[in-house]
Amino acid sequence: DGGITQSPKYLFRKEGQNVTLSCEQNLNHDAMYWYRQDPGQGLRLIYYSQIVNDFQKGDIAEGYSVSREKKESFPLTVTSAQKNPTAFYLCASSPQGTQLAFFGQGTRLTVV
Amino acid sequence: GEDVEQSLFLSVREGDSSVINCTYTDSSSTYLYWYKQEPGAGLQLLTYIFSNMDMKQDQRLTVLLNKKDKHLSLRIADTQTGDSAIYFCAESLPNAGNNRKLIWGLGTSLAVNP
Repeated sequence: DGGITQSPKYLFRKEGQNVTLSCEQNLNHDAMYWYRQDPGQGLRLIYYSQIVNDFQKGDIAEGYSVSREKKESFPLTVTSAQKNPTAFYLCASSPQGTQLAFFGQGTRLTVV
Repeated sequence: GEDVEQSLFLSVREGDSSVINCTYTDSSSTYLYWYKQEPGAGLQLLTYIFSNMDMKQDQRLTVLLNKKDKHLSLRIADTQTGDSAIYFCAESLPNAGNNRKLIWGLGTSLAVNP
């Protein structure tokens, strides 16, 4: 089945450690996105990529990094520089030229 | 400016119609979207409407767009308990480099009471 897969669903990390969230899609979509969702704040864009080997910062990129070495994959690293990393992270993809975003099931990251 | 606003909560009885409202400020939007998020899950695209349309119907869902007032609504007919979720409104706006971006509302939490 075609879709977008995020793993793991739940992730616990100690403060000061970097952690990488996985996002894979087999929809052949060109564009991929990472959002952060906090209670009462809706979705905030962290990074996006329109094409392989290229990505741009979103509204809250500080403390995060991404790579886009393959069309199917867009991993997000939450670094120790991110001041408040505990949140629900959503990955999405869309076909080129559209904003029809298809979302993964999310990863809930808890930093203790 | 770029802003999408929604009321935060809506409570309805099972079988009634639900109407979720959204207002936006940027008139250059081309498409407007409704997404549904169930607890602990990702967002699911429900429906969308092109900005030159007034209405779109898809089974129990009706989208109304008043471009003059920059007002979008989602009507769910015969609301069921399975419709309980958060509903997000989003508009598509031009971005740098011939790209577009989505501006999201904060979501409306719909509670359906039996």
